[in-house]
Amino acid sequence: AIQLTQSPSSLSASVGDRVTITCRASQGISSAFAWYQQKPGKAPKLLIYDASSLQSGVPSRFSGSGSGTDFTLTISSLQPEDSASYYCQQFNNYPLTFGGGTKVEIK
Amino acid sequence: EVQLVESGGGLVQPGRSLRLSCAASGFIFDDYAMHWVRQAPGKGLEWVSFITWNGNIRGYADSVKGRFTISRDNAKNSLYLQMNSLRAEDTAFYYCAKGSDSLTNWGQGTLVTVSS
Repeated sequence: AIQLTQSPSSLSASVGDRVTITCRASQGISSAFAWYQQKPGKAPKLLIYDASSLQSGVPSRFSGSGSGTDFTLTISSLQPEDSASYYCQQFNNYPLTFGGGTKVEIK
Repeated sequence: EVQLVESGGGLVQPGRSLRLSCAASGFIFDDYAMHWVRQAPGKGLEWVSFITWNGNIRGYADSVKGRFTISRDNAKNSLYLQMNSLRAEDTAFYYCAKGSDSLTNWGQGTLVTVSS
């Protein structure tokens, strides 16, 4: 199975900060990659698909980049409502796999 | 509006069985593959199983292979997960999700607790 190593596992940043989360795959997965946001007690929500495409309705401050083995989620200007956990996921091969998650807190 | 509503969770003893259901609405159900994803309390996401639009191809995580069976009834817009020989480590929120690649829509989840 393809392993996804996500970092950092947690971070604390101020409103307006630029935040970057990275995910490294154990083998190349082209652009078969997605990012999800999950708030406490809620289901995950798709943010980015195909590594860099913004899901409809998601604010433009979220962006994704990368291909192959290294991927990045960037929040250009952190907002209070962005406090959540973020997960990466690959869909190049089955079994589908997720990264371990990054908890983003607002200072 | 896409809606996915899971049901069937609850408290069950180790070794027993449980069947989860997911009722879908707001999209053409038989156009899409469907998945089950679980999350142990306070932990990360774990993919469990998928089924193609017509049910011809199914896949499972190694952790559930041979114990869980995914199925669907396109006439009823419903997805199912039959869980047999349940273990304590199967305790989790179980989400159904829509998508052939990325998972575009998720239900609210149903909690399965395996304990004596």
